[in-house]
Amino acid sequence: KNEVEQSPQNLTAQEGEFITINCSYSVGISALHWLQQHPGGGIVSLFMLSSGKKKHGRLIATINIQEKHSSLHITASHPRDSAVYICAVTPNFGNEKLTFGTGTRLTIIP
Amino acid sequence: KAGVTQTPRYLIKTRGQQVTLSCSPISGHRSVSWYQQTPGQGLQFLFEYFSETQRNKGNFPGRFSGRQFSNSRSEMNVSTLELGDSALYLCASSLGGLLRTTEAFFGQGTRLTVV
Repeated sequence: KNEVEQSPQNLTAQEGEFITINCSYSVGISALHWLQQHPGGGIVSLFMLSSGKKKHGRLIATINIQEKHSSLHITASHPRDSAVYICAVTPNFGNEKLTFGTGTRLTIIP
Repeated sequence: KAGVTQTPRYLIKTRGQQVTLSCSPISGHRSVSWYQQTPGQGLQFLFEYFSETQRNKGNFPGRFSGRQFSNSRSEMNVSTLELGDSALYLCASSLGGLLRTTEAFFGQGTRLTVV
């Protein structure tokens, strides 16, 4: 069983829809990261969080440490949000190693 | 502030050859981590360097090695290349404080094709 599980694996939605991507993990963590990868390959870090909720523009990330679960929400989705979204965790305190989920491929149709 | 720079962006090598990839972290960042991304295995951790010392290592064979220089730039080397080493190799830099986890910033990656 993977230490980090994401759902769904693929998601297609219409422009403007509210999007939710889920991440569950099975180990104790010091931080959880949400990453975005576009077709060119480069990865952008969207959020790093260890508790509560963070918001950047139309993106919101939440984490529930007790339930070992995090969600990434996109409000008013746009075709430029189409990308692969990857959840990653840092399992050990002070350790920079990341363990990744398999990613969610999001496609927003105009 | 300049981002993480990886060179080269694309590389084609023949089985049995060796390859060296380079990663220049964000100025002031002391931790550099390397990752391999393949369609079958996804993103996997290779190793992490902090202040010229390998601090963590993933489950890869000894053909994969790396080092970090005093200016925090890092190189990774793969010897005796195999077809299965074809992948996107990503590096990430972070402040790398020993007592806390810090945000990672990724480079654009080097796409290695082994033929």
